Amino acid sequence: GNSVTQMEGPVTLSEEAFLTINCTYTATGYPSLFWYVQYPGEGLQLLLKATKADDKGSNKGFEATYRKETTSFHLEKGSVQVSDSAVYFCALNTGNQFYFGTGTSLTVIP
Amino acid sequence: EAGVVQSPRYKIIEKKQPVAFWCNPISGHNTLYWYRQNLGQGPELLIRYENEEAVDDSQLPKDRFSAERLKGVDSTLKIQPAELGDSAVYLCASSADRGADTQYFGPGTRLTVL
Repeated sequence: GNSVTQMEGPVTLSEEAFLTINCTYTATGYPSLFWYVQYPGEGLQLLLKATKADDKGSNKGFEATYRKETTSFHLEKGSVQVSDSAVYFCALNTGNQFYFGTGTSLTVIP
Repeated sequence: EAGVVQSPRYKIIEKKQPVAFWCNPISGHNTLYWYRQNLGQGPELLIRYENEEAVDDSQLPKDRFSAERLKGVDSTLKIQPAELGDSAVYLCASSADRGADTQYFGPGTRLTVL
């Protein structure tokens, strides 16, 4: 079946630290991959996406590369800010349905 | 452009009471989704509409949950009667069409059942 597995949190980092949140997936066919971010009390917002193998999605300093050989889509940011504190969800779309990971909570401390 | 609108944002009810949530998708978006998000979990699909037709409701607990999307625009999700385990955030999302690879979420309705 189709599924997304994210690294468990919570993750706590100091400002300007390097961030990696791991995401692996299982899917039939060639899904599109996404990272969504959810700030406290808000709905999910699209952060970045990639639609085919080796594509790199990027936005607001965050990046993720679609790795078909390792079925991964890890989220990275070189220097996190306090305002990046949120819950991050990895997701895939098979064309028929979206599947979400359980989310990884990130707290950035000054 | 306005995003997905949901109301109410918060609802507290006692068990066995009915409750309804409303969603207005982004203008022109044909596909509408209702998700339930339990605390510390990712969203789980309840039902998906293509225009006014429910094309995937396999995860909707039909004994107590119902949904409608009259005229293929706004949608209402209802629970009757509510149970303690229904406490969650109910998210509405929309996309341009079934083949669109991005969906846009509303802020959600946080339901607390006492």
